[in-house]
Amino acid sequence: LAKTTQPISMDSYEGQEVNITCSHNNIATNDYITWYQQFPSQGPRFIIQGYKTKVTNEVASLFIPADRKSSTLSLPRVSLSDTAVYYCLVGDIYDMRFGAGTRLTVKP
Amino acid sequence: KAGVTQTPRYLIKTRGQQVTLSCSPISGHRSVSWYQQTPGQGLQFLFEYFSETQRNKGNFPGRFSGRQFSNSRSEMNVSTLELGDSALYLCASSLKGLAGDSYEQYFGPGTRLTVT
Repeated sequence: LAKTTQPISMDSYEGQEVNITCSHNNIATNDYITWYQQFPSQGPRFIIQGYKTKVTNEVASLFIPADRKSSTLSLPRVSLSDTAVYYCLVGDIYDMRFGAGTRLTVKP
Repeated sequence: KAGVTQTPRYLIKTRGQQVTLSCSPISGHRSVSWYQQTPGQGLQFLFEYFSETQRNKGNFPGRFSGRQFSNSRSEMNVSTLELGDSALYLCASSLKGLAGDSYEQYFGPGTRLTVT
């Protein structure tokens, strides 16, 4: 099971782009990369998932280099409501485990 | 469609007692996973069930057990409760079962268990 490493915390200001990088050096061929967002006292919420290259949806982009040993979640123009913990997960269809997550604080 | 529901939302138990938590997945989802979340340990995977079979298990003692019914509803049980079992217990459902199924998990609001 691939282990992930993320920064423990990050600060940003409203309107800025935020990039959170996750390291997963021993990612396996079948593993997907998934990011979740969690607010206090709520369950995590799916943000985005990818296998390689770049994936974009209405809330975020996910950049995955060719070697897939890391990935970067990009949040464009963050607002105060984006203050949350962001988790990077790596795994296959049968097993995905949460790491420690990155606590993002967006300041006015 | 309705989201993942968990009952009860809050629970207070005494050390040594046992507790059963319930999770109803999104209709059509056959995979149900359970997680324990505490301030100190974060989100820890307990186990995952698919079609009534435990497919994966985390590193928790045997006091933690679960099951899944034919309608995909799941229960988890914790016996001989300890103070350290106080946590938010989250249930998540997903389609994942066959190659090509979505890996996206949908989480319920959780059950807040307090052991005194």
